[in-house]
Amino acid sequence: NAGVTQTPKFRVLKTGQSMTLLCAQDMNHEYMYWYRQDPGMGLRLIHYSVGEGTTAKGEVPDGYNVSRLKKQNFLLGLESAAPSQTSVYFCASSYSQKREQYFGPGTRLTVT
Amino acid sequence: GEDVEQSLFLSVREGDSSVINCTYTDSSSTYLYWYKQEPGAGLQLLTYIFSNMDMKQDQRLTVLLNKKDKHLSLRIADTQTGDSAIYFCAEIYTSGTYKYIFGTGTRLKVLA
Repeated sequence: NAGVTQTPKFRVLKTGQSMTLLCAQDMNHEYMYWYRQDPGMGLRLIHYSVGEGTTAKGEVPDGYNVSRLKKQNFLLGLESAAPSQTSVYFCASSYSQKREQYFGPGTRLTVT
Repeated sequence: GEDVEQSLFLSVREGDSSVINCTYTDSSSTYLYWYKQEPGAGLQLLTYIFSNMDMKQDQRLTVLLNKKDKHLSLRIADTQTGDSAIYFCAEIYTSGTYKYIFGTGTRLKVLA
């Protein structure tokens, strides 16, 4: 089992560029999440999904879009990157909303 | 409101015990979790406790839950340099649906 994988691991973007972060899990989990982690602010939920074909907004959704076309994949898109989106992005998945979450290794994104 | 609070830093000497504290908001939380994040990695589940328990012991780890004060603590006995990491507590907040709330994380530094 690979668990939760994320690609890419690092990326540098110029302001206004777009990109997609890919998350994949092989545990057949229904629930998937995208977080961003900033110093002193812990983890903040961007978007999440409760199953294939569904998405919902989290705490900080502005500037991001997501899609869950296949159960095992959860994509996070930045349409027009801004310096405020410089962060480390983590994907996670879980069997249910109450159970433990399994995290990917993270993507470090810098927007200049 | 929903808030899980932790102190930001803790420094201990190798071989001493570490105690990381957390206060949470939702008295109806069913599960409370401790996650560990090593440098450059995602979060990994360390341990958890059901809300109907006061204490849980798992090798060097002891979790104490004070429901009256909404206080959760993680004690690491015989702390080693490999325990240096950021530790996050998390609660499941119930407000119509389940919501996973992470604390801001406590950075534990173990001095040799």
